[in-house]
Amino acid sequence: QKEVEQNSGPLSVPEGAIASLNCTYSDRGSQSFFWYRQYSGKSPELIMFIYSNGDKEDGRFTAQLNKASQYVSLLIRDSQPSDSATYLCAVSDTGGFKTIFGAGTRLFVKA
Amino acid sequence: DAGVTQSPTHLIKTRGQQVTLRCSPKSGHDTVSWYQQALGQGPQFIFQYYEEEERQRGNFPDRFSGHQFPNYSSELNVNALLLGDSALYLCASSFEPGLFYYEQYFGPGTRLTVT
Repeated sequence: QKEVEQNSGPLSVPEGAIASLNCTYSDRGSQSFFWYRQYSGKSPELIMFIYSNGDKEDGRFTAQLNKASQYVSLLIRDSQPSDSATYLCAVSDTGGFKTIFGAGTRLFVKA
Repeated sequence: DAGVTQSPTHLIKTRGQQVTLRCSPKSGHDTVSWYQQALGQGPQFIFQYYEEEERQRGNFPDRFSGHQFPNYSSELNVNALLLGDSALYLCASSFEPGLFYYEQYFGPGTRLTVT
């Protein structure tokens, strides 16, 4: 079992729609959860982080965490073509110093 | 506010050679982590440096070594290069406030090609 699993996609949504990205993790001791956006040929860019169960909203982005289900999600409202990128889910290990990344989900937003 | 910087941007080396990559953390950050990202994969944790010590290491052989300097900048050294070492090498910095949670910010990366 991979430590952080994501659907590789591609996920295709029309402009203006809600994009829903999902991630599961295996380490029950994980405390920190992150979403990064990575454009082709560029480095990852931190867009959201969440530490507590529930929802966290920042502009068009909402991160959701359910530690009991070991599940993290990212919702992107009013999706724009500029949101087209690979979205990486990242989770800290129990010790807190090592961050484990999923392989990423490719998102395409069609104009 | 200067972000994370890395040098060089691109590098081409031959199998068996050694390479040194450099990273300067974001202003105010004192912790540096190194990652290897192969094409189509997520970044893989190599190691993390804090207070000039390697604090944690991922599943990478001893050919991968590092260093952190008193100004918090860091180097990643890879010896006896293999073709499989070709990847994007990413440096990420964070601030270690003594708390459990922290966010990492990535530099632009160094693209290493081993021929």
